[in-house]
Amino acid sequence: KAGVTQTPRYLIKTRGQQVTLSCSPISGHRSVSWYQQTPGQGLQFLFEYFSETQRNKGNFPGRFSGRQFSNSRSEMNVSTLELGDSALYLCASSLAIDNGYTFGSGTRLTVV
Amino acid sequence: GIQVEQSPPDLILQEGANSTLRCNFSDSVNNLQWFHQNPWGQLINLFYIPSGTKQNGRLSATTVATERYSLLYISSSQTTDSGVYFCAVDTGGSYIPTFGRGTSLIVHP
Repeated sequence: KAGVTQTPRYLIKTRGQQVTLSCSPISGHRSVSWYQQTPGQGLQFLFEYFSETQRNKGNFPGRFSGRQFSNSRSEMNVSTLELGDSALYLCASSLAIDNGYTFGSGTRLTVV
Repeated sequence: GIQVEQSPPDLILQEGANSTLRCNFSDSVNNLQWFHQNPWGQLINLFYIPSGTKQNGRLSATTVATERYSLLYISSSQTTDSGVYFCAVDTGGSYIPTFGRGTSLIVHP
């Protein structure tokens, strides 16, 4: 079966712009979580969606937002990009909140 | 929140050697997962192991929940084992995994 698909794989944006990243979970998985990975902070949880509802949220500013569609695909948006937003953004899906995660290959965002 | 500490932070091995990676956590956990991140950034789930022992080929993991630690064993290491190994735990309250900082493994041929 197909894995978790994230698009695009790479992205270069300018400070102040906004960006939208996409994640398609494994078929049948209804929980989608997003993580930011940086060398300095490691893997940090952004938010988790289940059945189109944000169920959990990490400690990130309001510039970071997301949503989930009825087919479980999820998008995350970052507005007013800052240099510090440069990171690998990883999406993970799971069958249920207490099941193991399957991660996508990530989107590497560079803000210049 | 829960603290997750992994050791060692860095490990360099010769192909064929064995190794043990450790994950300590500060509170009772609902679940524990081990991941391998390859040099291209892909995180692969290795084990879902809240307690007990599991084996998958050359890899095995043991979690002793009562003593709040987990071990990942890699036997007969290969160059393809290189990458970063993460431990992630979640408590029953949120079920959102908290990741450790990882162990960076380099296996030389």
